[in-house]
Amino acid sequence: DSGVTQTPKHLITATGQRVTLRCSPRSGDLSVYWYQQSLDQGLQFLIQYYNGEERAKGNILERFSAQQFPDLHSELNLSSLELGDSALYFCASSDSSSGNTIYFGEGSWLTVV
Amino acid sequence: AQSVTQPDIHITVSEGASLELRCNYSYGATPYLFWYVQSPGQGLQLLLKYFSGDTLVQGIKGFEAEFKRSQSSFNLRKPSVHWSDAAEYFCAARGTDKLIFGTGTRLQVFP
Repeated sequence: DSGVTQTPKHLITATGQRVTLRCSPRSGDLSVYWYQQSLDQGLQFLIQYYNGEERAKGNILERFSAQQFPDLHSELNLSSLELGDSALYFCASSDSSSGNTIYFGEGSWLTVV
Repeated sequence: AQSVTQPDIHITVSEGASLELRCNYSYGATPYLFWYVQSPGQGLQLLLKYFSGDTLVQGIKGFEAEFKRSQSSFNLRKPSVHWSDAAEYFCAARGTDKLIFGTGTRLQVFP
């Protein structure tokens, strides 16, 4: 158990809908990262937050957004969903803004039908 | 551009055989290096990491990896593979920001 908690574990939704994925980082970790894993794109970095502020942005679509709350949990919002958004979404955390070791949650499986 | 390459998409070994998974990186300076394992339907578990110092690092589950600066490599090894090691293995690297992953190597273990 990495200590990173993600909910829901599985989610099935229709195209055009909006979903929210939730992440609780390890206790004391200030940085939260979101990654997308799909068959065709592999593991892609989406976005990083540090203590509530956006720190780095990767291949995140404009239809996607994220935030980190004062209690350090984070949410990834996916809107206007398309079939191609079906993927495993990982949250990860580390203990400093340039944290050397990043620990991953078990992921949220999103299926768009 | 920063990148991590795992040249082997799929490797098959017999149980009890030795294993080496290859990883090469391309970075401006030596990055922090990691190996993660993902079992089917599971998340990413950290096997080991290299930051500096001794170039041979030990990890969990009997794995080790050797950093070779001259070859820009960080290969993962295990002397005797168990059936439970069947999984996908990811090499990853980071400089000052995000973690970049290789495409993964799927390990299949035959009894």
